[in-house]
Amino acid sequence: GEQVEQRPPHLSVREGDSAVIICTYTDPNSYYFFWYKQEPGAGLQLLMKVFSSTEINEGQGFTVLLNKKDKQLSLNLTAAHPGDSAVYFCAVRRGSALGRLHFGAGTQLIVIP
Amino acid sequence: DMKVTQMPRYLIKRMGENVLLECGQDMSHETMYWYRQDPGLGLQLIYISYDVDSNSEGDIPKGYRVSRKKREHFSLILDSAKTNQTSVYFCASSGQGGYAEQFFGPGTRLTVL
Repeated sequence: GEQVEQRPPHLSVREGDSAVIICTYTDPNSYYFFWYKQEPGAGLQLLMKVFSSTEINEGQGFTVLLNKKDKQLSLNLTAAHPGDSAVYFCAVRRGSALGRLHFGAGTQLIVIP
Repeated sequence: DMKVTQMPRYLIKRMGENVLLECGQDMSHETMYWYRQDPGLGLQLIYISYDVDSNSEGDIPKGYRVSRKKREHFSLILDSAKTNQTSVYFCASSGQGGYAEQFFGPGTRLTVL
């Protein structure tokens, strides 16, 4: 089955610095990709979703890059601020699966003021 | 309002007692999920429900059962709870299609003494 490796498990950066989280997956049939953010004591909230193609998506202060050739998904926070402190999860889904998401183990990001 | 609710938010039980965790969603989503989250392990899928009375085991179903009698409600039942079932439990729901995101509830923190 699908294996999703996420690194690093912990990341500490200073306010204004960038932060990069990388996920590597194994199933070449994975087609849909998601990043979630989890704040303390809360459920997961969708940050961004991307399709299966080399793609760059930009949100508010972050960029998601999907490299299907290398089976890699990355989240790049530019100019991190303390409000970005949270646990981040990547998730992948096969094109044919009935709703099943495979999650990475998460990255605890701490942004130091 | 696009919301997933979970009750209770916190629960303390003694080993051997029965546990009922409840989840509701107001988006008419067909698919619902139960996960548990433990430090360092990310999210582990317990059960998926594809609609009323259409449930499938996830990766760690042992010791759990589910019930879905209405589309908007999905229950997780622990018959004779064990101490290793102490965890945070999340419910989620999603719409149709591979690109559909999962919406998560706020979680239930269960402690089994």
